[in-house]
Amino acid sequence: GEDVEQSLFLSVREGDSSVINCTYTDSSSTYLYWYKQEPGAGLQLLTYIFSNMDMKQDQRLTVLLNKKDKHLSLRIADTQTGDSAIYFCAERLGDYKLSFGAGTTVTVRA
Amino acid sequence: ETGVTQTPRHLVMGMTNKKSLKCEQHLGHNAMYWYKQSAKKPLELMFVYNFKEQTENNSVPSRFSPECPNSSHLFLHLHTLQPEDSALYLCASSQDLQGQETQYFGPGTRLLVL
Repeated sequence: GEDVEQSLFLSVREGDSSVINCTYTDSSSTYLYWYKQEPGAGLQLLTYIFSNMDMKQDQRLTVLLNKKDKHLSLRIADTQTGDSAIYFCAERLGDYKLSFGAGTTVTVRA
Repeated sequence: ETGVTQTPRHLVMGMTNKKSLKCEQHLGHNAMYWYKQSAKKPLELMFVYNFKEQTENNSVPSRFSPECPNSSHLFLHLHTLQPEDSALYLCASSQDLQGQETQYFGPGTRLLVL
């Protein structure tokens, strides 16, 4: 099975908060990442969190890390139509290898 | 713009063709990567180069042949591909392979093998 798991789809109303969840399996992961992929584009790094942190906030983005449960979440406050994209969770294994989830497609409806 | 460019953006090729994908990074990085992204599957790491030396070949079939002539350029040479090789091929770069170095991705080449 996959090392990193995410739900495939999320639909959210414009202005509401979006929460994207991710579970990972390697407890030795040092960094965990959230990437955003818009249609026809590559992956854009949104934010990352070091494994000794519980929370990181960056403007509308809040990352929560529960190391005990190996659970990572990304909350997007005041979701806008421009937030519609595929969001990938990734864990860093060793020096440089990243293990990605399959991505969560977020659709923002008016 | 992430500072990583890829050409072509779209490519259609037959199974007997030979083509090459090009990646160029303008970030002064030393490490470069090729990933394969198939629909609704996690990204698959294919190759890693650090200071022009290949450090990772993730059991990729020999019909994919990477080339890294310098730290700024990375190629993926394709020959006798199969339809299941159709995917988005993403290039990425990072400062090096250590620490918290973030990987920056290009826009990808959408490949269709007929």
